[in-house]
Amino acid sequence: QQQVKQSPQSLIVQKGGISIINCAYENTAFDYFPWYQQFPGKGPALLIAIRPDVSEKKEGRFTISFNKSAKQFSLHIMDSQPGDSATYFCAGFSGGYQKVTFGTGTKLQVIP
Amino acid sequence: DTGVSQNPRHKITKRGQNVTFRCDPISEHNRLYWYRQTLGQGPEFLTYFQNEAQLEKSRLLSDRFSAERPKGSFSTLEIQRTEQGDSAMYLCASSLSGADTYEQYFGPGTRLTVT
Repeated sequence: QQQVKQSPQSLIVQKGGISIINCAYENTAFDYFPWYQQFPGKGPALLIAIRPDVSEKKEGRFTISFNKSAKQFSLHIMDSQPGDSATYFCAGFSGGYQKVTFGTGTKLQVIP
Repeated sequence: DTGVSQNPRHKITKRGQNVTFRCDPISEHNRLYWYRQTLGQGPEFLTYFQNEAQLEKSRLLSDRFSAERPKGSFSTLEIQRTEQGDSAMYLCASSLSGADTYEQYFGPGTRLTVT
């Protein structure tokens, strides 16, 4: 049962540009909305997370924008670098079940 | 390296055989999770342990799957009578119970190929 929908499936951005990945969720019981970054051959690594009562969170070049009424949230990567090339997953975390529900992923390629 | 470790990293098996994977969490973490990731998809939750107790199981975890964490440290995931549909990356994660338990640390995974 797909509860977190993610787009686009793939994204190519020039070095220095802004990468934007969008997600929508259905389950209003999520307690946090984390973003994970995954490189080939590695497990996902937590990048940044936001609570549903906050509209924006920024950590370095990474910003989450959250729209609770629309049940949508997005990741913005400012000044994208080739080292940011990876697959990004948005997710919802349910504290009651200790379960992370992942989106389908966005493969980001940052070209020089 | 004090991260989550998983063994083996790759496993090729024939349909019908049993396989077992091992996960060693970060040493002080009392919560341990198993996820399955198929190609081009996000990881899907399978089960989670707090210490040695298995507290949550997904409907994805059929009767052929069993997970254990006997002493609250490492965990094993066994798949009996493997099927081709079991081919996937099996990921283990761990966390420390507390305020920010959404922060799960993932291992590199075990890639299973069933021929």
